[in-house]
This record gives sequence, structure tokens and C-alpha cells, in this order.
Amino acid sequence: EVQLVESGGGLVRPGESLRLSCAASGFTFRTFAMTWVRQAPGKGLDWVSTTNDDGYTTYYADSVKGRFIISRDNSKNTLYLELNTLRAEDTAIYYCARGDDYYGSPKDAFDIWGQGTMVTVSS
Amino acid sequence: DIQLTQSPSSLSASVGDRVTITCRASQGVTSYLAWYQQKPGKAPKLLIYKTSTLQSGVPSRFSGSGSGTDFTLTISSLQPEDFATYYCQLLDTYPLGFTFGPGTKVDLK
Repeated sequence: EVQLVESGGGLVRPGESLRLSCAASGFTFRTFAMTWVRQAPGKGLDWVSTTNDDGYTTYYADSVKGRFIISRDNSKNTLYLELNTLRAEDTAIYYCARGDDYYGSPKDAFDIWGQGTMVTVSS
Repeated sequence: DIQLTQSPSSLSASVGDRVTITCRASQGVTSYLAWYQQKPGKAPKLLIYKTSTLQSGVPSRFSGSGSGTDFTLTISSLQPEDFATYYCQLLDTYPLGFTFGPGTKVDLK
């Protein structure tokens, strides 16, 4: 079964850091671009960051650029998001999602999503 | 950066109704549009990509169309399991990033 499972969320204070993980299974992780999308409570979807299949190319939303770092370990089939200098407005459910297969036809969309992990930033 | 708007922001409909949701881009786009369905407490689910291609396993009552700045998602005959929030999304190529629309909530009339 194709699956993404996020972990690492929790309650942190403003200015603190957190690292989220996303464990992939059921597909060839190393050939897919991967993305983090977040959703603040009661709000819409907000793209956060994307990495290409080998992790050497990364993209960030302006709202997190310079504070968040996306990375991946293809030997462990795991995607990461390091969240630094957290702010109250970073409070959200963070989803990891599968993007395009390097060897396939591009969809420019996210076809597999994890269940999400909640990050709460509050003093 | 390209902005996406959706209309309506919410709608009430009955089972069997034909429902159309519009997604408008702030400027003409040459990339593809995708549509997602999200139910409360659940992750989004991809319905349509490349503007009109149905994702595997998605019922054929869902369809997508459009080009340029205006795109639509149509549900030909609304079913009880279709009550949800729908989001459009596109890939913005410069600067590279993904943009989501604000969502359209479909609920029971």
C-alpha cells in the first residue's frame, strides 16, 4: 500500500524549533518530488516547500523562506521539514504529499497525502 | 505570483444536483490546474490533474475544464459522499511554487 506517515508535531513556544518527518512506503520514494503543505485551523491549504527527487533542488514559500529547511534521506525513504524560529502563524496541520515521478509524466499535482501532524506554536 | 480565486466560496446543493465550481487565476496560466476534495479531519484527495484528467479511482461524475484564467470543476450528479470542500491548485513556474485556491465548501441544502 502506498502510504505517507508524518510525525514530529507538537506544542512549542515562539522562537523554538521542531523537526517533522514523513515516512514513505509502497512506492519508489527516491524518484518522486516531495512537498509539505500546511493548513491552519479552519483555513485553506498553504504550500510550504518542495524538494526534487534527489534533494538537491528545493523551493520554499516566501512565508517560510530562511526559517524552514526541507530535506530527504532516500536511503530511509523519509522526508523532513525543519521548522526554526517558529511563530504563532505557523500553527497548522502539516501534510507531506507526493509530487511528480522523475521518470513519469508530470501531473504538477500531489497524488498521495499523509494524515498530517499538528504543530502548535504558543507561549 | 499568480493568485487563485474560487467561486462560490460556499454552496448548498441537493443529492443529484449538477454542481459547478470556478477557479480563476490572476493572470493567464500555461501550466496545469488540479482539483482536490477535502472532508473534515481528513487529508486532501486529488480528483483531477492537468486541468481535465481524472485521477485513478475518482468517479466519472467529476470533470474539469478550462484554460487561460478560468477553470471549472463539475460534479454531474452530486452524491452524499461529495459534500466536502474543494480546492484548485496550480504550479507557478516563476518563481517556482504551488498555489492553492481558497476553497469552496459544498454542503447539503
